[in-house]
Amino acid sequence: GAGVSQTPSNKVTEKGKYVELRCDPISGHTALYWYRQSLGQGPEFLIYFQGTGAADDSGLPNDRFFAVRPEGSVSTLKIQRTERGDSAVYLCASSWLTGGEQYFGPGTRLTVT
Amino acid sequence: TQLLEQSPQFLSIQEGENLTVYCNSSSVFSSLQWYRQEPGEGPVLLVTVVTGGEVKKLKRLTFQFGDARKDSSLHITAAQPGDTGLYLCAGLYNFNKFYFGSGTKLNVKP
Repeated sequence: GAGVSQTPSNKVTEKGKYVELRCDPISGHTALYWYRQSLGQGPEFLIYFQGTGAADDSGLPNDRFFAVRPEGSVSTLKIQRTERGDSAVYLCASSWLTGGEQYFGPGTRLTVT
Repeated sequence: TQLLEQSPQFLSIQEGENLTVYCNSSSVFSSLQWYRQEPGEGPVLLVTVVTGGEVKKLKRLTFQFGDARKDSSLHITAAQPGDTGLYLCAGLYNFNKFYFGSGTKLNVKP
């Protein structure tokens, strides 16, 4: 079966623009996590979903960041008014249950110029 | 502030040598996971440890969870060039959220 997929793999945008990053989890996985990874660092927790609802969004840096998972499967991370400091790799992971084994996608590399 | 501190940050060794990577915190975790990540890819789970004092072995890799569930170590015996990568520990906090360490970048030279 297919693993976690993320699109696009690379995104270059200008400062101030809006971007959407998509995550397709493994079919049947109820938990979905978003992380941000800067160069030379470990992944930093942003938000996680249990089903359709955002169970914990305490890691979102500010209100420019928002994520949805309307049907409990695909999730979209949305960033408004992008800033150069938003440049990083955005990782998505899914698991059968909250706190279980996470399967990661390859990430989306976001570059804000 | 990093909830989990990993050491060392970088490690460059010759093939055949042994090494240990440490993951420390002042917080108690429900469980702790170790991942390996290669450039351009997402982390891949190696092991999950749950019980304080638990030791798990995966071929040449030995993982230990501290008695108080605040720290962990990864020991690699007779390292091979294929072990090269970024090793990450991740603690499960409040049974629902993972915090990652900053990683240990391992380079094994042939």
